[in-house]
Amino acid sequence: SQQGEEDPQALSIQEGENATMNCSYKTSINNLQWYRQNSGRGLVHLILIRSNEREKHSGRLRVTLDTSKKSSSLLITASRAADTASYFCATDKETSGSRLTFGEGTQLTVNP
Amino acid sequence: DTEVTQTPKHLVMGMTNKKSLKCEQHMGHRAMYWYKQKAKKPPELMFVYSYEKLSINESVPSRFSPECPNSSLLNLHLHALQPEDSALYLCASSQSGTSYYEQFFGPGTRLTVL
Repeated sequence: SQQGEEDPQALSIQEGENATMNCSYKTSINNLQWYRQNSGRGLVHLILIRSNEREKHSGRLRVTLDTSKKSSSLLITASRAADTASYFCATDKETSGSRLTFGEGTQLTVNP
Repeated sequence: DTEVTQTPKHLVMGMTNKKSLKCEQHMGHRAMYWYKQKAKKPPELMFVYSYEKLSINESVPSRFSPECPNSSLLNLHLHALQPEDSALYLCASSQSGTSYYEQFFGPGTRLTVL
């Protein structure tokens, strides 16, 4: 079964607003990663957060991880039209460190 | 150079054809991956090569045959594909074959099987 699930499936906001996407997973993990994919193109890595970390920042991105709830969130602040993309969380399994399983993804649309 | 390149960008093939997808990276990464992605779905792992050896095969049908000629190159040989194999095929690489490192993705090959 899918290791990571995300919500919402789709999110539409105005430029300048913040966007929050959530990811839940089922089994214990070593790391959780977030990726962005523009339509029909390759994925771009955004942030990797380790299981012993609770929060990480990169520019306008903030990721949190709650291992007790098996969930993570990605916050994009002051969104721009160029942030329009699909966002995927990807998890490994604590017992299988090389496989990444991607969540279903959130389609974010930022309207100018 | 932090780029993963894939050729061709688009490929249309019949069910009896044999074709190959190519992937190249020059970042010194020792792990390379093939993923399959259907429209509006997440990427699904197919194969992992670690230090030029096949380390993971996610029960992929034998009509897909991976090859890693050297640490910079990864091929996916296709033979007798089915229309349901039409998808975006993504190659990725990482410093090593563990999830402790980010993966760098190529732009993908859009495959259509007629």
